Order: sequence, then C-alpha cells, then structure tokens
Amino acid sequence: DGGITQSPKYLFRKEGQNVTLSCEQNLNHDAMYWYRQDPGQGLRLIYYSQIVNDFQKGDIAEGYSVSREKKESFPLTVTSAQKNPTAFYLCASRRGFSEAFFGQGTRLTVV
Amino acid sequence: AQSVTQPDIHITVSEGASLELRCNYSYGATPYLFWYVQSPGQGLQLLLKYFSGDTLVQGIKGFEAEFKRSQSSFNLRKPSVHWSDAAEYFCAVAANSGYALNFGKGTSLLVTP
Repeated sequence: DGGITQSPKYLFRKEGQNVTLSCEQNLNHDAMYWYRQDPGQGLRLIYYSQIVNDFQKGDIAEGYSVSREKKESFPLTVTSAQKNPTAFYLCASRRGFSEAFFGQGTRLTVV
Repeated sequence: AQSVTQPDIHITVSEGASLELRCNYSYGATPYLFWYVQSPGQGLQLLLKYFSGDTLVQGIKGFEAEFKRSQSSFNLRKPSVHWSDAAEYFCAVAANSGYALNFGKGTSLLVTP
C-alpha cells in the first residue's frame, strides 16, 4: 500500500540531545513537509522540500534541521537548540496541485 | 499576509443535528482549499478539496463544503452528525502547486447523545 511512514511513534529526548524523526513515502511525490502540532496552535510548518537536495525553512525552523538526499525520505533532526521540542510532529507529501498526504505522526517528549 | 482563520475553537452539537464549521482565508488569488479531519494521536485525513469549478464540493463521510469567493470562505457542512464525527477539523489553503499547505488552528467537534 502506498503511503507515508513516520517512525518512531513515540520518542523521548533528554536535555541537550539531538534526535532524528524518520519520514518515508512511497507515493512518488516530489514535495515533502514537516509540521509541528501543539494544542490550540494548529499545524505550523517547520521545513519543506520540493525536490531532492533542496529544502526551505518554514515558519518555525529554528532548532531544526532536515535533509533530502532521496525522493522517498525527508528526516527531521530536532537539535539541542530547540528549547521547547515537546510536540506532535507530522510529515506530509504532495504531488503538484493535489492534496497533502500525512503520516501518523511522532510524539516527542523531553524527559 | 496570507492567513487561514477558523473562528470556532470548540463546537458542540447533538447527534443527528446539522453542522457547519467556518473557514475564512486571506490570499491574493483563489487558492487551493482543503478540509482535513484528525482523531486524537493520529495523522490527518482529507475530507474534501476545492481547486476550481463547481463551488459546492462533496467529500467523504457525508461532508460537503461551499466556496464563496466574495466572502473568502470555505465552510464545511454535514446535514446530520454522527457520534463518530467527534474529532478535530482543520481548514487548509495552498497558494500553488507544490507549496506547503497553510492550516487554520482547528475546530474541535464534540457530539452529544
């Protein structure tokens, strides 16, 4: 089945630690996105990539980094510079003018 | 600045009653419009979308939405709500092909017996 796979579903980060969230898609979509979701805040765009080896900052990119070495993969690293990383993270992909397809999300908690 | 507004944070309706969730946008031209639904701890599922043509669009689960250019609105409706419709609903807008969707802050729907 085609879709977007995010892993892990739950992730715990210690203070000062970098963690990486995985996002893989087999939909052959060119564009991929990372959103952060906090209660009452909706979805806020962290980074997006429209083609391989190219990506742009979204509205809240500080403390995050991404790479896009393959069309299928768009991992997100939450660095120690992100002071409030506890949130629900959603990855999505999109082809052209179509709707965005979403993964099931990763819940990151600082311990 | 481009923005998407969902004026209602929470809405409570009785099962069997009709539902309307509001969405207003501020964009330079007619954008691509979407409604998504999210159950707790899950990803987002597309309910319906509008790109062009007929301004009344039908979606899944009995939902429909009407695009009104003059009001910059894209309100979601359902004639008769079921208890399983309780969820978070998001309106989203995209300016163009490949661009990221810009989301409203969501409306939480509670359905009472």
